[in-house]
Amino acid sequence: EVQLVQSGAEVKKPGESLKISCKGSGYSFNSHWIGWVRQMPGKGLEWMGIIYPGDSDSRYSPSFQGQVTISVDKTISTAYLQWSSLKASDTAMYYCARFMAYSSGCYGDYWGQGTLVTVSS
Amino acid sequence: EIVLTQSPGTLSLSPGERATLSCRASQSVSSSSLAWYHQKPGQAPRLLIYGASSRATGIPDRFSGSGSGTDFTLTISRLEPEDFAVYYCQQYGSSPPTFGQGTKVEIK
Repeated sequence: EVQLVQSGAEVKKPGESLKISCKGSGYSFNSHWIGWVRQMPGKGLEWMGIIYPGDSDSRYSPSFQGQVTISVDKTISTAYLQWSSLKASDTAMYYCARFMAYSSGCYGDYWGQGTLVTVSS
Repeated sequence: EIVLTQSPGTLSLSPGERATLSCRASQSVSSSSLAWYHQKPGQAPRLLIYGASSRATGIPDRFSGSGSGTDFTLTISRLEPEDFAVYYCQQYGSSPPTFGQGTKVEIK
């Protein structure tokens, strides 16, 4: 059974750094793209970016390029989403998903349970 | 990037009724690269349809997708109580992938 298990909720102050995680199991982790989707409070879904664990090739949405870093540790089947300096506007639920990728894009076929990030002074 | 517009914003129906949801793209979606998800309150999205019309693993056949180019439709033939949720379309034919704003299917 494919499972993606995310790290727990975080409460941070503006300017702090953060790294959240997503551990995959039940499938060949190195052979599938994995990535992140943001959902701000009461809003819709926004695709942030993906990474291929086999070679760490990553792709970002222009909206998130330079704002976050997606990384992976394939030895422990875990993907990460990282911020170096959080802003209040980063407050959101963040979902990881396994992505089926094609030449121009991808869709998420399995999703984690979500990690709520709250940034407040 | 491709903008997806979903309609209606809210659909009020009773269990057993048919639901028809629309997703219109600002430009043609190549290779019918369109997916549908639903999201229940407090839960993660779940993939329903990919490739515009292929059901994902474990999705019942009351869910069907159709369309091509710029106009796509998700149909739920007979609504079950567990189908009341928010539905999102997503295109993956052009980078970056983009989502529609969602259609809420609520109990009438």
